[in-house]
Amino acid sequence: GNSVTQMEGPVTLSEEAFLTINCTYTATGYPSLFWYVQYPGEGLQLLLKATKADDKGSNKGFEATYRKETTSFHLEKGSVQVSDSAVYFCALAYSGAGSYQLTFGKGTKLSVIP
Amino acid sequence: DTAVSQTPKYLVTQMGNDKSIKCEQNLGHDTMYWYKQDSKKFLKIMFSYNNKELIINETVPNRFSPKSPDKAHLNLHINSLELGDSAVYFCASSPDPRFTDTQYFGPGTRLTVL
Repeated sequence: GNSVTQMEGPVTLSEEAFLTINCTYTATGYPSLFWYVQYPGEGLQLLLKATKADDKGSNKGFEATYRKETTSFHLEKGSVQVSDSAVYFCALAYSGAGSYQLTFGKGTKLSVIP
Repeated sequence: DTAVSQTPKYLVTQMGNDKSIKCEQNLGHDTMYWYKQDSKKFLKIMFSYNNKELIINETVPNRFSPKSPDKAHLNLHINSLELGDSAVYFCASSPDPRFTDTQYFGPGTRLTVL
C-alpha cells in the first residue's frame, strides 16, 4: 500500500538557519505529493504541492521537488523565521480506478528560536 | 469569510455520552472529510463525502456516524463515547474527491472524554 515516512522531530533551529525536513514515500502509480503546515492551535493548511515527477512546489520561501528516482519530496527553506514554528506534514494522494487515498506522514514539529 | 468552520471548538464530556460535531464550508466544494488527529499529531482520514454520498469509510468504529444533509455540511455523530475517542477532529473540504486538489481544513474540535 501507499505510505509516507517523515523524519522524526522535534527539530529546533536558530533563526536564519537552513531547514530540511526529509520525506520519502512508497506508492503504486503516480501520486501527487503535498506539504501541509499546522500552526499551533489551528487546522492544517496547504504549504505546497507537486503533481508529477520533477515538479517543484514552492511557497513562502519553502521548496520541495518531486523526485521519482529517490521517491522523495524533501522540504527545504534557506532561512527560517520564528514564525515558521509549526508542525509540517508530508502527504501523498493517489486516485485511480475509482479509489481515492490520502496518506499523511506523522508530522515533524519545527521550533525556531530567536 | 470563514472557509471551513466547525462547532464546537472544545468538547468535554463523560464516557458513554453521545455527542455531535458540526462542519460547514462556504467554498462551494463537492467533497468533505473528517480526520482524527491523536495526541502524537498523527492524522488519519475517517470519512469522505462527495455530493452528499459516502465515498470513503476507513476502519472506524460504527459508533461514529457521519451525516451530510447537503453539500455544504458534514456532521459527525459519536455514540457511547470512549476514552480513546479523545483527539482533535478536523473537517476539511476540496473541490473534488481525487485528493490532487488542495484540501481546506477547519480549525479543529478538541474532544476530551473523561
